[in-house]
Amino acid sequence: GAGVSQSPSNKVTEKGKDVELRCDPISGHTALYWYRQSLGQGLEFLIYFQGNSAPDKSGLPSDRFSAERTGGSVSTLTIQRTQQEDSAVYLCASSPGQPWDYEQYFGPGTRLTVT
Amino acid sequence: AQKVTQAQTEISVVEKEDVTLDCVYETRDTTYYLFWYKQPPSGELVFLIRRNSFDEQNEISGRYSWNFQKSTSSFNFTITASQVVDSAVYFCALRANTGNQFYFGTGTSLTVIP
Repeated sequence: GAGVSQSPSNKVTEKGKDVELRCDPISGHTALYWYRQSLGQGLEFLIYFQGNSAPDKSGLPSDRFSAERTGGSVSTLTIQRTQQEDSAVYLCASSPGQPWDYEQYFGPGTRLTVT
Repeated sequence: AQKVTQAQTEISVVEKEDVTLDCVYETRDTTYYLFWYKQPPSGELVFLIRRNSFDEQNEISGRYSWNFQKSTSSFNFTITASQVVDSAVYFCALRANTGNQFYFGTGTSLTVIP
């Protein structure tokens, strides 16, 4: 079946530009996560969506980062005025979201390079 | 505070050897979930296993086995008779019952040499 998809797969942008990263979760999954993975590091939680509830934005590193999820499905992560330290792989994951069923299914990621 | 520590940064083994990847976690929650994920060279993380804090029964799945010990806050992962296809970065993760975050360790890079 269809898994989590992300686009673009690679993005090179100049410092100061805005970028939008897209995530299409698995159909029916109510929970959606964004993570950032820097070279040689673990995954850093950014934001969490669950159904129609207000998102948990506690992991966003600065106010330059924002995300939305339209219609409980597709999500967009926006980074404004990109900085070189934003260079990383941005991963999206979706989950059935049930308390007893917290497996996450990851997309292939978007590799962002800020020059 | 929640934390996952994977002290082994890189491990190399020769094919057919057994290898254990260590994972130590910290949480004050009495209910929590532990996970292992595999990230092959292609980059996409793949879910391997989930354990609940109230179920300490160890699990075996083919060549993979997991040893969950609450007394030492560890959730170690053993690959028996390793194969080249096992080469990947393996992440251990924790999700407490409070809050929404998953806390990932920094990963262990496993190389299986043919």
